[in-house]
Order: sequence, then structure tokens, then C-alpha cells
Amino acid sequence: DTAVSQTPKYLVTQMGNDKSIKCEQNLGHDTMYWYKQDSKKFLKIMFSYNNKELIINETVPNRFSPKSPDKAHLNLHINSLELGDSAVYFCASSHRLAGGGDTQYFGPGTRLTVL
Amino acid sequence: DQQVKQNSPSLSVQEGRISILNCDYTNSMFDYFLWYKKYPAEGPTFLISISSIKDKNEDGRFTVFLNKSAKHLSLHIVPSQPGDSAVYFCAASEGQAGTALIFGKGTTLSVSS
Repeated sequence: DTAVSQTPKYLVTQMGNDKSIKCEQNLGHDTMYWYKQDSKKFLKIMFSYNNKELIINETVPNRFSPKSPDKAHLNLHINSLELGDSAVYFCASSHRLAGGGDTQYFGPGTRLTVL
Repeated sequence: DQQVKQNSPSLSVQEGRISILNCDYTNSMFDYFLWYKKYPAEGPTFLISISSIKDKNEDGRFTVFLNKSAKHLSLHIVPSQPGDSAVYFCAASEGQAGTALIFGKGTTLSVSS
């Protein structure tokens, strides 16, 4: 069973379109995240949700909107796609361990290409 | 400004030898450190972690060492195997629930047989 899954794995679309990426985790975690890996290979946080509540929102254009219908799902909607949005997007989830530390588990990634 | 740095983009090691991957950080508020392994076209896979209250954590062939005064951590893989060939990311966080992981740029490890 896949712990953190994302769909689609590949997404090719035209500039100006609106698209969504779905993420689901079956680990029973209460916190979910979206990261972006850009062309320079840096993985950077975009959003974090805890129990369906937004807790991190980095400096991301408001064309990007996360939506969490329940604890197990965190979807990413992107409006008016631009060339610079081309990247690999990773979903992750975690559960706070007693004593500290928050190990995050990642999905396989969605490679978005904007033409 | 990079808070987590992996200054070696690549490392080549022979099978059976030790691989040592290094990571430096600048933020003294970091108190939880992780190593992830990543194969092409897959997501990062959690490997091992260490809390700032420890200086060493071991899990099988993998050991992470933390030197807080130097703001440095390293991952030792002994013995190295060809299947260990991947990109290794160092990450750090301030340990609060839901805190973002701050990643280094990664080191590509190649283990030859």
C-alpha cells in the first residue's frame, strides 16, 4: 500500500490553464505539506496543513491554493499557469512524535510542465 | 540565503567502503535533522534522523553524527552498496509540529562494484 500518493505523476499543460494535483496519505498523519522542487533541485516548502487548518503559507503566488477536504487529503489547485510554474511538486505528511521531531514522508512527486 | 548546505554535489565510493556525506547549517534554532535518499522520478525516502539532544544515531549501516558547536552533521554508510547510489538530502527543522523542513541541495552518491 502506498503511504503518500499523488496524482497525476506527470502533467503537461498550456500557459493560462487551471490544473489540480491531488494528494492522499493513508498513514493516519494529521499534518500535510506541499513542496516544490525547482530547476535548481532545491526542495522548498509551499504550504502546510494541520488537521485541515493552514499553518504554513510561504511566499507563494495566490494562484496556488491548497484545499484540504479532510485530514487524509491535501490538493493543490493552480490557476492561470505560467512557464515558471514548471517544476516537480511533492506532497508529504507527518505526525508529531512524542519527544519532538517531525519526520515527513513524501509522495512520488508530480512533474508539471507548462508550455 | 541557504540555511542548510551540502557543499559536495557528488561523491564516488567503491562497494564495501565507507561513504561519508556532509551537511552544514546556519540556523541555531534547528533541533531536528534528517537524511533523505532520492532515486530519479521518485519522492525523497526518509533514511535516518537525529534530535539535537543527541550526537549520534545509528540504524543498521547508516549512522548520523551531529556536532552542534560546529553546526555540522554527517551521514556514514558502512559498508556502501551499489543500491545506495542515489541523491542524499540533508534536512533540518525547528521541531514544531508542521514545521517546514529546510533542505540542502543534495549530494549524488555513486557506489561502484
